[in-house]
Amino acid sequence: DAGVIQSPRHEVTEMGQEVTLRCKPISGHDYLFWYRQTMMRGLELLIYFNNNVPIDDSGMPEDRFSAKMPNASFSTLKIQPSEPRDSAVYFCASKYQGTSTDTQYFGPGTRLTVL
Amino acid sequence: RKEVEQDPGPFNVPEGATVAFNCTYSNSASQSFFWYRQDCRKEPKLLMSVYSSGNEDGRFTAQLNRASQYISLLIRDSKLSDSATYLCVVRRGGADGLTFGKGTHLIIQP
Repeated sequence: DAGVIQSPRHEVTEMGQEVTLRCKPISGHDYLFWYRQTMMRGLELLIYFNNNVPIDDSGMPEDRFSAKMPNASFSTLKIQPSEPRDSAVYFCASKYQGTSTDTQYFGPGTRLTVL
Repeated sequence: RKEVEQDPGPFNVPEGATVAFNCTYSNSASQSFFWYRQDCRKEPKLLMSVYSSGNEDGRFTAQLNRASQYISLLIRDSKLSDSATYLCVVRRGGADGLTFGKGTHLIIQP
């Protein structure tokens, strides 16, 4: 079974550039989450979707960040313009509400470096 | 105060020893509790859910104390492969996103 797929795995960009991160959740999962991990702050929830609808975006740091989920098999997280403090590992995770285990499955992450 | 707090370690433990981690959470509305494991430069993976009655999975035992808002993880007969960062995780009632502690780094030494 394919797990959560993220691309790119690594991204190096310069301050001010637009960055787009992509995620394909596990087929059949109805929730999709975007998290960010830094040494300073650990893992933090940015936004999540249920059935492609954004439910809670209170973790999105500022207006430079936006996320979309145009269909059940694809989501993007966009940063425009990027800043050095956005450097982090961005994880996408998905889950299926119909199970009793409440398990979220994480993708391998995108390591973003903003110079 | 962070919502989930853990001792960052590192815990250096000889192979075969028993090691225990604790974490505390501040939101009494927390409803679900988990331990995730994260290997270096990898994604977090669920190790086990934590139930009020306590639960065991092989060498791993998890306990939850709702009154004290405290979660523990015990690893018996530790293996070299147990070396990782262990993340204490809670989910608030009415929410779906997870809140993570910053993790406890465990190093098992031969």
